[in-house]
Parts: sequence; structure tokens; C-alpha cells
Amino acid sequence: NAGVTQTPKFQVLKTGQSMTLQCAQDMNHNSMYWYRQDPGMGLRLIYYSASEGTTDKGEVPNGYNVSRLNKREFSLRLESAAPSQTSVYFCASSEGVGGYEAFFGQGTRLTVV
Amino acid sequence: TQLLEQSPQFLSIQEGENLTVYCNSSSVFSSLQWYRQEPGEGPVLLVTVVTGGEVKKLKRLTFQFGDARKDSSLHITAAQPGDTGLYLCAGLSFSGNQFYFGTGTSLTVIP
Repeated sequence: NAGVTQTPKFQVLKTGQSMTLQCAQDMNHNSMYWYRQDPGMGLRLIYYSASEGTTDKGEVPNGYNVSRLNKREFSLRLESAAPSQTSVYFCASSEGVGGYEAFFGQGTRLTVV
Repeated sequence: TQLLEQSPQFLSIQEGENLTVYCNSSSVFSSLQWYRQEPGEGPVLLVTVVTGGEVKKLKRLTFQFGDARKDSSLHITAAQPGDTGLYLCAGLSFSGNQFYFGTGTSLTVIP
């Protein structure tokens, strides 16, 4: 089983460029999440989708947009990248919101120069 | 807003030693999870605790949820090099649908 697959694994952007991070899960999970991980700050939730057709803001949504394309796929878009968005981005999925186990992808290391 | 503080932030110990990692908050959580993350990988769930005062054991790892549901600890007995990684706690608030992750504890076990 692939679990949660993220693409790309690495990306370098120039300030002001846009890009979309892709995420797909094959576990038939209802809920999907995008986190960013910065040193000393753990994981911070950017956006989540409790179920297909819904999306909600997390702790740090500014500068990002998301699309729940279908039950399997949840993408994260940076419209105009800034150096402050340099981070490692993780997609995760779970059966539902609440106390369920979250399954994470391997991450995308993004550098904005 | 960082709701969960973990201590210590870094820990380097010799194989065979015991250690405890703490996860503290001023907020009350309905449940709390512990994850371990290895370099280049995403976090993997170790345990979920849901009842105040609950203690769960996973081989050499012992997890405790505070009576007031504001804090948790992870105790590792006789640490092994395979325990090396970043340990993250995550608390689920009563009012939300999301987990708030702690700041993380990076553990290195030296053979």
C-alpha cells in the first residue's frame, strides 16, 4: 500500500512564483490535512478537509489555498511564494476528524529564495 | 498560537539509559497522541490516550495523560539506538476538529 503520496519531494522557488503541492491517499479516508514543519515549532496545521467537498482553515492559512479535488486528492497552492514559506510540508489523512490516527506522507521540502 | 510545549527540546543519551519527555499546556485536551518521526519521513503514531490519568505501555515506552488532561509524558526504559527520532505530542481540543502539535523533542541514543 502506498498510503499517502506527496509530490514533489523537493522544490526551489523564487519569491513571487506559484506552485501546487499534490497529495493523494489510497486508504479511503474521509479527512485530509496540510501541515508545515519548521525547526522548534513542531507541526502547524495550514488547512484541512474534514470530508470531500469541505475545507477549513487551520492555524496558519495565510498565503495558501487548498482544493479537495475528490476523496483521494488534496492539493495545496502557494499563489505568490515568500521566503517565510520555506518549510517542510506534510500531507496527512485520517478516517475522520477528531481522535483518529493520522497517516502522513514523506513530506515536501520547499525553499523560497 | 503554540498550545503545547515539549521539554527537553534536545536529548542525547547513551544506550541503556532511561529518559522522560514532557508535553505541557495550559489548555485542556479531549485526547492526546504521541508520534515519532525519523529523518526524511512523516510522523508515525505511537499511541493515543483519551482518559485523564491514563497510562499506556508499548514495550519499553510508557505514556501518561495528566489527570487534568493538560499534560502528558513519555518514558522510555533502556533506550536503544532505534529509539532515535523526533517525538511529537499532539492534543485534540474539545472545541475543534484538529490536533495541535507540540514543539517536538529530538532524541539521539548513542550506541
